[in-house]
Amino acid sequence: KAGVTQTPRYLIKTRGQQVTLSCSPISGHRSVSWYQQTPGQGLQFLFEYFSETQRNKGNFPGRFSGRQFSNSRSEMNVSTLELGDSALYLCASSLAGLYEQYFGPGTRLTVT
Amino acid sequence: GDSVTQMEGPVTLSEEAFLTINCTYTATGYPSLFWYVQYPGEGLQLLLKATKADDKGSNKGFEATYRKETTSFHLEKGSVQVSDSAVYFCALSDPGANSKLTFGKGITLSVRP
Repeated sequence: KAGVTQTPRYLIKTRGQQVTLSCSPISGHRSVSWYQQTPGQGLQFLFEYFSETQRNKGNFPGRFSGRQFSNSRSEMNVSTLELGDSALYLCASSLAGLYEQYFGPGTRLTVT
Repeated sequence: GDSVTQMEGPVTLSEEAFLTINCTYTATGYPSLFWYVQYPGEGLQLLLKATKADDKGSNKGFEATYRKETTSFHLEKGSVQVSDSAVYFCALSDPGANSKLTFGKGITLSVRP
């Protein structure tokens, strides 16, 4: 069974631009969560989608948004990028909310 | 709110040494507890989990016991290998928060041959 895939693996953007990251969950998994990992703040929860609905949201500004499609694939978007948005963005999928989560390799975003 | 506290790192051990990584938590409900491991350049892998008090999670020689009385979930391994070098994260999931995981800061383990 294929694991969680994330594209692209690496991105370099300029301050003020916007970016879209993609996550394909394990086949059959309906829950997708997103996390931001930085050296200073560690791993922080962004949001979770289940059956195309946002079910939970972390403490991030409205510039961070996401969506989930009917095939459970998910995208997250960051608008008006800031230098502090440079991070590893991890996506995780699970069968449903209370089951084990499986993480993808992440997308490394660098904002210059 | 929920929080996880891990011991400060990094930790450097010789091969075959005993490993303990401390983890304590604060939660309003009865959380599930996890240890995740991250190898360089990779995402997180679930190492082990425990879903209720006194449960012991184990995998690949690693063990951790859910201690409700001390709100702890310390990770142990009797004999570490060079291949265990990685970053280890303790995490909790509150049943009322669906999939949201709250992580500790992580600790880097380096094992010398």
